[in-house]
Amino acid sequence: AQSVSQHNHHVILSEAASLELGCNYSYGGTVNLFWYVQYPGQHLQLLLKYFSGDPLVKGIKGFEAEFIKSKFSFNLRKPSVQWSDTAEYFCAVNAETGRRALTFGSGTRLQVQP
Amino acid sequence: GAVVSQHPSRVICKSGTSVKIECRSLDFQATTMFWYRQFPKQSLMLMATSNEGSKATYEQGVEKDKFLINHASLTLSTLTVTSAHPEDSSFYICSATIYTGELFFGEGSRLTVL
Repeated sequence: AQSVSQHNHHVILSEAASLELGCNYSYGGTVNLFWYVQYPGQHLQLLLKYFSGDPLVKGIKGFEAEFIKSKFSFNLRKPSVQWSDTAEYFCAVNAETGRRALTFGSGTRLQVQP
Repeated sequence: GAVVSQHPSRVICKSGTSVKIECRSLDFQATTMFWYRQFPKQSLMLMATSNEGSKATYEQGVEKDKFLINHASLTLSTLTVTSAHPEDSSFYICSATIYTGELFFGEGSRLTVL
């Protein structure tokens, strides 16, 4: 079974600061990788996903993530955060074949101060 | 993108009663739907996988007699929390997968059991 680890539980940044949220996974096979965002009181929204191809993936709202296979990592980045980026961020994986259920990391709460 | 709708978004019930939550894929057919549970400030935990026309597959530790899942059509899955107790209070989220493997999430249903 796969597992996902998010190292940062709570991150506080000032506006315009750069962001990097760590995500590592463990699984013996090929995976699909996702980052979801959950704004306060709202449902999960997909930020970006990696299935195959270019390991540097660009998503919505200026976010990007890089899949480094050798490190089993899929870190999320944004060069300059905004107050509106305050939210909970979840990394998730599922197996490329077979069961499609996502396994989520514990989440990182990002707080951006104006 | 594909839309997944959950109803109700919030429900408050008395202890001992049963509550049904619906999950609908509005503009696509979902052969597989997943039900997750999210405790406050925690990640999403997979409860069960629901396949149209067959019995749901429950994760270890999830009581199938308490959390009844029915997937009667390609666009509707229901979760019934039977004889609800305060410890069942949680945020329940469904998701549906399309043929590409991508998952779409419903808005979630917040259950409060008094």
